[in-house]
Amino acid sequence: AQKITQTQPGMFVQEKEAVTLDCTYDTSDQSYGLFWYKQPSSGEMIFLIYQGSYDEQNATEGRYSLNFQKARKSANLVISASQLGDSAMYFCAMRSYSSASKIIFGSGTRLSIRP
Amino acid sequence: EAQVTQNPRYLITVTGKKLTVTCSQNMNHEYMSWYRQDPGLGLRQIYYSMNVEVTDKGDVPEGYKVSRKEKRNFPLILESPSPNQTSLYFCASSLSMSGQLQETQYFGPGTRLLVL
Repeated sequence: AQKITQTQPGMFVQEKEAVTLDCTYDTSDQSYGLFWYKQPSSGEMIFLIYQGSYDEQNATEGRYSLNFQKARKSANLVISASQLGDSAMYFCAMRSYSSASKIIFGSGTRLSIRP
Repeated sequence: EAQVTQNPRYLITVTGKKLTVTCSQNMNHEYMSWYRQDPGLGLRQIYYSMNVEVTDKGDVPEGYKVSRKEKRNFPLILESPSPNQTSLYFCASSLSMSGQLQETQYFGPGTRLLVL
């Protein structure tokens, strides 16, 4: 069965510090993709970053980077120099080749940035 | 502007009263999907559609119906809503889900439903 696990229901971080949000996944497919989405208090879902299972480099998008450890089946999101606007719910998600029509989501991590 | 729209954004209803949540996209996307979001459970897929007249069940389809008669519209129908369908609902679309895995989904703004 395919599964995404986010073990941190909530996190508090001081502004300007870096923060790592954990995500582990389970799939028997060799070909899959991992996504991170941000959901601010307004409710919309915002795509942040994508990592493919065959990508040799860790994905980066501005202050967001993905720490991809394939052997450990982890895809942690790293936010550098956190800002107050980073306070939001963050979801890790996966799409596998054998179930390409579906994206499955983790339960999310609520990140709060302290000024 | 490329977008996915949902209506209504907020809805309070009573048990058993049929309702429809509309979803429309203007990006000519083939794939559309409905999710519900509940605390501690993340987003769970209700139904999806690979193209016009092609729909399939997701992980939590009980109590819901969908139709895809036109490419741009994918309404979610609750024939007889119950309190356990109180949730935040998202519609999403994607160009195609039969292509590259990195094809991401574009989400609507969400519909908050309360069933009394």
